[in-house]
Formats: sequence, structure tokens, C-alpha cells
Amino acid sequence: AQSVAQPEDQVNVAEGNPLTVKCTYSVSGNPYLFWYVQYPNRGLQFLLKYITGDNLVKGSYGFEAEFNKSQTSFHLKKPSALVSDSALYFCAGRDTDKLIFGTGTRLQVFP
Amino acid sequence: NAGVTQTPKFRILKIGQSMTLQCTQDMNHNYMYWYRQDPGMGLKLIYYSVGAGITDKGEVPNGYNVSRSTTEDFPLRLELAAPSQTSVYFCASSKTSGRSETQYFGPGTRLLVL
Repeated sequence: AQSVAQPEDQVNVAEGNPLTVKCTYSVSGNPYLFWYVQYPNRGLQFLLKYITGDNLVKGSYGFEAEFNKSQTSFHLKKPSALVSDSALYFCAGRDTDKLIFGTGTRLQVFP
Repeated sequence: NAGVTQTPKFRILKIGQSMTLQCTQDMNHNYMYWYRQDPGMGLKLIYYSVGAGITDKGEVPNGYNVSRSTTEDFPLRLELAAPSQTSVYFCASSKTSGRSETQYFGPGTRLLVL
């Protein structure tokens, strides 16, 4: 069965420090992977996606994600966290006809 | 472009009542989707549509109905509201169904069934 896992419910990081939000996947065929961010009382906003090619994908707001086929991971990263990055982050993988979402990771950036 | 818009933002229903959640997109996308988001559960697909007049069930369709009479609109109907339908509902759209295609989400409707 296809699945996407986000092993951490919450990640806490100090402002200015690097952040990582973890995601692992299990999908058939070539993986198509996405990161979305949800700010309070807002819908999901697209951050970035992996289709094929470079293992480091750059996205919106300074975020990037590293695709690792051997570890079946697609971790979201940012070199220097901002308080305004505090939000709920979802990893998703594309099955044949639908997106499969992880359970979400709440990122809290402390000043 | 407004993107994907949803109304209402919040609604309280009594058990057994019915309501329609509205969704409109102005991006001329063929594909539209309804998800529900429950705490700690991620998003689950309720229904989707590949174009006007064509709809299909997702993972959790029971208790819901949809219609797609135009490209822009994709309303979700709850006929007999139940407490289990308390959730946040998101509508999304995409241009194609390609596996690399990005879905764009509306701001959500928070529904409370008491």
C-alpha cells in the first residue's frame, strides 16, 4: 500500500537555526513528492515538489527538500528558520490517481 | 486570480441537518477535489471530479454527495449530518491529473456537527 509518513508530530527550533522536517514514503514506481504548508486558519499552500532529476529541490520562502532514494526520504529543510515559519507542514506523495498525505508536522520556531 | 474559494468559513449543524459546502475556482482547472482534515490524520479524499459532469468517489465518500455542472464549481453536499462529519473540509483543483501536477487548495470550511 502506498503511504507517506511524517515521524515527528512537532519540531521545535530556535530562530536562525537550521530546520529539518522529516518525511518518508512508500509509493510504487517513480515517486512524485510534495510539501505543503498550512498557516493557522488557512488552506494548504504549495511549497515544492520532486518529479525527477536533481535530488535537492528548491521551493518557496527559502525552503528546500532533499530526495534520497535509498532511504526513501524527502526531508524539508531551511538553513535559517524564521518565527514566521511556524506552521503545520504536510508531505504528500502521488499515487496513481490521488495524493496521499502524511499526518503533518507542526513546526514551532522560537525567537 | 482568486484561486480556489470556499464558503462558508465556519458552520455549526445539528445532527440530521443538511448543507452544501461551496467551492469555486477561477483557474480553468479540469480537476477538482474535496478533502477532509481530521486532527492527526492528514487529509483524506472524499470525492473528485475530472471535468464537468464527471465525478468519482475517493477514500471516504460515505455521507457525502457532489455534483459538477460547470468547470468552476464543485459543491459538496451533506444530506444527514452526523457528529463524525465534524472536520475541516478543503477543496482543491489542478489543471491535469498528471502525477507531477500541483493541487491548489482553498482556505477550508470548518464544520461542527452537534
